[in-house]
Amino acid sequence: QSVLTQPPSASGTPGQRVTISCSGSISNIGSNYVCWYQQLPGTAPKLVISRNDQRPSGVPDRFSGSKSGTSASLAISGLRSEDEADYYCATWDDSLSGAVFGGGTKLTVL
Amino acid sequence: QVQLQESGPGLVKPSQTLSLTCTVSGGSISSGSYYWGWIRQPAGKGLEWIGRVYTSGTTNYNPSLKSRVTMSVDTFKNQFSLKLNSVTAADTAVYYCVRDIGSRWSGGWFDPWGQGTLVTVSS
Repeated sequence: QSVLTQPPSASGTPGQRVTISCSGSISNIGSNYVCWYQQLPGTAPKLVISRNDQRPSGVPDRFSGSKSGTSASLAISGLRSEDEADYYCATWDDSLSGAVFGGGTKLTVL
Repeated sequence: QVQLQESGPGLVKPSQTLSLTCTVSGGSISSGSYYWGWIRQPAGKGLEWIGRVYTSGTTNYNPSLKSRVTMSVDTFKNQFSLKLNSVTAADTAVYYCVRDIGSRWSGGWFDPWGQGTLVTVSS
């Protein structure tokens, strides 16, 4: 049982816009920034969004993040086949004094 | 740019201690105000934060693993390490080392990641 809640799966067709949600509480998302990671099959996770909505250098602008209250979202527009991966949200939890992850969302490009 | 590489035994016997080292290249482990951490992922499952260590030796550990975990930094070798004692089959996972760009009161911002190393706990 993960501290942050993500839908286990999401899907879309090429060119579509897909959104993945991440729900938490006041002690984690409500009080701290959220980061998002993309994990392609057989590889290490890669940072795609930091501090709620900041895109690291090299990440396409098709990826965007947002946060409101105790929830956050990752949006991918102009969906491409290479976006098919697992996506994880992460943040700090003040009550646990540690980092926490969502359970991950498997994105399928149909 | 900074790169991380995990190393250590791929097979550990139950009840023994899992020991991994992460070597930092492309930059000094002491430069910048970074923490250095470990994350693991059992096969087919999600990511679990294990903990992090600052170059001063300050640590934060996952409460569920705290009693078994020790992390340390060797600034001379530009390495940091993880020790997990009394391991069981449930500790079998891919272990990743990461640079944690969080502060004393924040975290969850990991970049870059090592490629990961599989550790199997079995007799």
